[in-house]
Amino acid sequence: GENVEQHPSTLSVQEGDSAVIKCTYSDSASNYFPWYKQELGKRPQLIIDIRSNVGEKKDQRIAVTLNKTAKHFSLHITETQPEDSAVYFCAASLHAGGTSYGKLTFGQGTILTVHP
Amino acid sequence: DGGITQSPKYLFRKEGQNVTLSCEQNLNHDAMYWYRQDPGQGLRLIYYSQIVNDFQKGDIAEGYSVSREKKESFPLTVTSAQKNPTAFYLCASTLSPRTEAFFGQGTRLTVV
Repeated sequence: GENVEQHPSTLSVQEGDSAVIKCTYSDSASNYFPWYKQELGKRPQLIIDIRSNVGEKKDQRIAVTLNKTAKHFSLHITETQPEDSAVYFCAASLHAGGTSYGKLTFGQGTILTVHP
Repeated sequence: DGGITQSPKYLFRKEGQNVTLSCEQNLNHDAMYWYRQDPGQGLRLIYYSQIVNDFQKGDIAEGYSVSREKKESFPLTVTSAQKNPTAFYLCASTLSPRTEAFFGQGTRLTVV
């Protein structure tokens, strides 16, 4: 089955700096890669996702890059703000043969702390 | 909130008792999922259901059971066979195979 590794486990930055979180996956057939943000005690919320036919996607201060050859993808947050502090999870999924994007394999999570 | 309702938010049970966690969605989503989250770890898939009256085991199904009698409901039963049931349980749903998953607020189960 799929295995997703996420690094670093904790990341501390100053407000205004950039933050980068990296993930690698094992199944080359995976074709959907979402990123979720989870605040303490709350549900994960999708912040950005990318499909395997795209190499990069941006949404304001957030971007995701995908390298299918190397089987890794990264989350980039620019101009970080204290409200970006949360746990971020990467995930991978395969849409094929009737399975869907909701059948996700998650990384272990990164605790991001943005200091004012 | 968000169309996916999990209840209760907190649940306490004695060891050896079965307990059922509720998940209801009014989004008309076809597929529903149950994930388990342990402290400091990512989410792991327990069970999922693509359509009514059909469900599949995920990566950690042992000690759990589910049913999908209605499109909007996907209850999870944590049985006494689950060795370490204390965890945060999250329900999710997707509208179609190629759309993103939305999560409920979660149920924190503590077994004492």
